[in-house]
Amino acid sequence: EAGVAQSPRYKIIEKRQSVAFWCNPISGHATLYWYQQILGQGPKLLIQFQNNGVVDDSQLPKDRFSAERLKGVDSTLKIQPAKLEDSAVYLCASSLVGYETQYFGPGTRLLVL
Amino acid sequence: AQSVTQLGSHVSVSEGALVLLRCNYSSSVPPYLFWYVQYPNQGLQLLLKYTTGATLVKGINGFEAEFKKSETSFHLTKPSAHMSDAAEYFCAVSDRDGGADGLTFGKGTHLIIQP
Repeated sequence: EAGVAQSPRYKIIEKRQSVAFWCNPISGHATLYWYQQILGQGPKLLIQFQNNGVVDDSQLPKDRFSAERLKGVDSTLKIQPAKLEDSAVYLCASSLVGYETQYFGPGTRLLVL
Repeated sequence: AQSVTQLGSHVSVSEGALVLLRCNYSSSVPPYLFWYVQYPNQGLQLLLKYTTGATLVKGINGFEAEFKKSETSFHLTKPSAHMSDAAEYFCAVSDRDGGADGLTFGKGTHLIIQP
């Protein structure tokens, strides 16, 4: 069974630029999550989707971050404009349904200069 | 709101010795609790989880954890450490609030195995 796929794996941008990350969950998984992991900290939930609807985006900085999951499968997370403090690893996870085990992708490492 | 505290950002043990990683949580609902492991430049891998039922949970790679409600703890143990266990370990609690079940993670414990 293929795992959660993410791209790109690494991205370097300058502050005020925009960037987008892509996630393809495990086939058949209805729930998709985006987490932000700053160096030295545990991951922090940014947004949770159930199919193509948002379940929880209470910790998403909506002035600069946006995410979508239009067809209930792939998802895109965008940052516009980026700030230095956005440097982190962005992890995507999926689960079959809510409350089930979350499977994590390898992450996208973002460096904002 | 849920929170997780992991005692000790770094834990060092000798190969073959007991591994004990501590986790305490706070939750307003009966918690779902998890331990994940993260190897360098990789995503998180589930070690074990507690949802309901038996409070002693066995996971992969010889790890186990015990849910103690009275102590609000979910400590991770392994009887004998291997060099391959060196990694970052995260304890997490599930929010489980009206369908939202995103995980709240601790800050992690870096496990060092001494030869």
